[in-house]
Amino acid sequence: GESVGLHLPTLSVQEGDNSIINCAYSNSASDYFIWYKQESGKGPQFIIDIRSNMDKRQGQRVTVLLNKTVKHLSLQIAATQPGDSAVYFCAETGFQKLVFGTGTRLLVSP
Amino acid sequence: DAGITQSPRYKITETGRQVTLMCHQTWSHSYMFWYRQDLGHGLRLIYYSAAADITDKGEVPDGYVVSRSKTENFPLTLESATRSQTSVYFCASSEQGKNIQYFGAGTRLSVL
Repeated sequence: GESVGLHLPTLSVQEGDNSIINCAYSNSASDYFIWYKQESGKGPQFIIDIRSNMDKRQGQRVTVLLNKTVKHLSLQIAATQPGDSAVYFCAETGFQKLVFGTGTRLLVSP
Repeated sequence: DAGITQSPRYKITETGRQVTLMCHQTWSHSYMFWYRQDLGHGLRLIYYSAAADITDKGEVPDGYVVSRSKTENFPLTLESATRSQTSVYFCASSEQGKNIQYFGAGTRLSVL
């Protein structure tokens, strides 16, 4: 089956640094990707999405980059804050369903 | 704006018992989903529903039953709970034709 994976299970950064969370996907036919943030004890929360006809999309302090050649997705968080500490999931979509990666935990220290 | 709510938030049960987890959404979204979340597996789809009275299996449906008699409700039943079903369960919903899914806060289920 298709799979979505992450390169690093845990990422530790200092407050104020930029964070980069990576994700690899295997289904070259995927045309839409989503990043979710999950804080402890809560459900996943939508952060940003990108379609396969785009290479980059920016939101507030977050940027998603898509490299279809190597089937790689990344989430960049600028000026990381303690409130950004969470688990981040990428997901690819197909026929209204999502396939999630296993997640990367982001730890932000002051 | 209540959004999507799950109940109970925590549940402890015994092997062999029947358990029903509730999910209610106030957005009138067509699609609803049930996932389980386990360490090392991320979120795995159990069942989903495209509309009232339409349900379909996901990746890990065995041991679970769903129904959708009303658009806003999508209960998940474990007919005879097993220890392997100890997990955190999330319900989600999305609009027809839209890929973004919105999640509830989850139900933590322990089967002893």
